[in-house]
Amino acid sequence: GAGVSQSPRYKVTKRGQDVALRCDPISGHVSLYWYRQALGQGPEFLTYFNYEAQQDKSGLPNDRFSAERPEGSISTLTIQRTEQRDSAMYRCASSQPGQSSGANVLTFGAGSRLTVL
Amino acid sequence: AQSVSQHNHHVILSEAASLELGCNYSYGGTVNLFWYVQYPGQHLQLLLKYFSGDPLVKGIKGFEAEFIKSKFSFNLRKPSVQWSDTAEYFCAVKTYGGSQGNLIFGKGTKLSVKP
Repeated sequence: GAGVSQSPRYKVTKRGQDVALRCDPISGHVSLYWYRQALGQGPEFLTYFNYEAQQDKSGLPNDRFSAERPEGSISTLTIQRTEQRDSAMYRCASSQPGQSSGANVLTFGAGSRLTVL
Repeated sequence: AQSVSQHNHHVILSEAASLELGCNYSYGGTVNLFWYVQYPGQHLQLLLKYFSGDPLVKGIKGFEAEFIKSKFSFNLRKPSVQWSDTAEYFCAVKTYGGSQGNLIFGKGTKLSVKP
């Protein structure tokens, strides 16, 4: 698509429920990134993919968080057994392949705001 | 661990005032440097970037930033702000030697421009 598309834009859930956040990157962008942004903070790295391979998941806070990108395009970030501290804006970004001039320049989506009650 | 510091949490200026937002990072190796902006109700957008070469880089909307390696700084400047510059500004650093994907952001500086 023309930009990075994220859904849902807003998600309110009860503590203990699982949530899945979706990201559709820019067509042709090989790399896909997930960030989390708490109120008053900058975006914090969670994980990233090149094609379908998860290259780095060191930013995932615990094993309740997982991400996949099975066909190298759309990615899903899943949070199991949500807790109130998971409430944040979850941002997806994509970038061009590593050797191109656009590499390392992230294009962000609008984000998914998660509220856990 | 690498970190990015933005010194001002909230800056309030009148239109036509000059702007300088500070950004310092802690990493001694090669870096790529970025400023992103988030206008109210919009998503994060790239304002400007530095990869190599001339340390004074110019971005969109009259913004510029200067990379001073000896000071580990990448301050953002604009000679004369407009009301439409009201936004939150994030400095970000990508280091080499670490994860390709890990772009480290500062906490952001909220700029409010009074008309």
